[in-house]
This record gives sequence, C-alpha cells and structure tokens, in this order.
Amino acid sequence: ETGVTQTPRHLVMGMTNKKSLKCEQHLGHNAMYWYKQSAKKPLELMFVYNFKEQTENNSVPSRFSPECPNSSHLFLHLHTLQPEDSALYLCASSQALGGFGSTQYNIQYFGAGTRLSVL
Amino acid sequence: AQKVTQAQTEISVVEKEDVTLDCVYETRDTTYYLFWYKQPPSGELVFLIRRNSFDEQNEISGRYSWNFQKSTSSFNFTITASQVVDSAVYFCALLSGNTPLVFGKGTRLSVIA
Repeated sequence: ETGVTQTPRHLVMGMTNKKSLKCEQHLGHNAMYWYKQSAKKPLELMFVYNFKEQTENNSVPSRFSPECPNSSHLFLHLHTLQPEDSALYLCASSQALGGFGSTQYNIQYFGAGTRLSVL
Repeated sequence: AQKVTQAQTEISVVEKEDVTLDCVYETRDTTYYLFWYKQPPSGELVFLIRRNSFDEQNEISGRYSWNFQKSTSSFNFTITASQVVDSAVYFCALLSGNTPLVFGKGTRLSVIA
C-alpha cells in the first residue's frame, strides 16, 4: 500500500463514452501527476499539478482533461478516446522540494493504475 | 536534455543467481537525483532508492545494492541471490533541472524457480 489509490482498476469504454479516472493520495503531498504507460513505449508524463495548479502539460490531446480540486485528489476526464489511448494510466504524488511554483519534485509514490481499454 | 538508457530490455535468471540491471543517464546539470522503481505485475511502481549526485557511496539494502559512478554516468542495480518475487519490471529515473522525473524504458526481470 503506497498511500495512493486509483479507481477504477480496470475500465472498458467505447470511443463515444465519457468516463473519469480518480486518484486520491493520503500522504499529505502537494504535487500530483498523471502518467500513461503503453505496451511499447516508456512511461509518458501527461500532467503535473503542484499546489492544485497545473504546471506541466506534455502536449496531451484535449480528449484528456485533468482536474485537481485539492491537493489530495486528481481526476482524469476522458471523452471521445481512440483505440491507441488504451494503456495503463498511473497516478503519482510527491512532496515538492520547493514551495509553490517550484518544479523540483521529490520522490514520487505511485498508485496501482487504471488499465483502460478503448474499443 | 535529460535521458535515461536501460539497454537491457529483458533478463532471465535462475533463482539464487545474482543479476545486475544497468542504467546510464545523461544530464548537463551538476545537481540531480537518480531513482530506481520496481513495477510488479500488479502495476504500481514501488520506490526503491533515491541517490543525489553528490553522494557516490554505494548502497546496500538487504539483497539489493546500487553502484553509482559519475565517471561513467551509471547507476546500476544488483540483486543478490535472486528470488521469484523479484520478477518485475525495473525502472531507472533521473530528476534534474526543472523537469520532473525522466524514466528509462525499463528492464523486465524474470526469475525462474
């Protein structure tokens, strides 16, 4: 148990569906992340939130929409996905080394991921 | 630009053998951190170690040991007397500059009983 919980663990959706992935951390961290892990690619950072503000968006298509209502919760809203979006989506959290606005991040703790299949 | 290379895609060993996972990194920063994570079949990445660039001492934790050599930009990970439970994908990662973690592609370790 890493202190980072992701739900659901598995999700199958059609290309026209709208769904959301949820991540919750119980570690008192102030930075949260979404990663995508595909079968044939390395871990891809998607979004970073530091003190609830988005500080990184790695050219992610707009069909992925993150939301961070507070430092403990992170959502990834999905709509009109493509089959190539099928992957393991991992959430992580960390304590930022600096204060607000700092991009120096500490050890990241990961959830177990949501395995997404887009049909 | 920061980069992490794990040249070994897959390794298979027989239980009780020692195995070393290689990691080579690139960065122009003088201050940086190196990490190893383990990803078992369940999916989550489990943090194993963090090492900063000013600490070149090797570290041992039980059957795990890490060899950090700045001269060759390497941060290799050795498992002694491997066990089936060590079977997982292992990721090396680099934190430097103003960017979050950069991961290598991972090495899949299979330990056969």
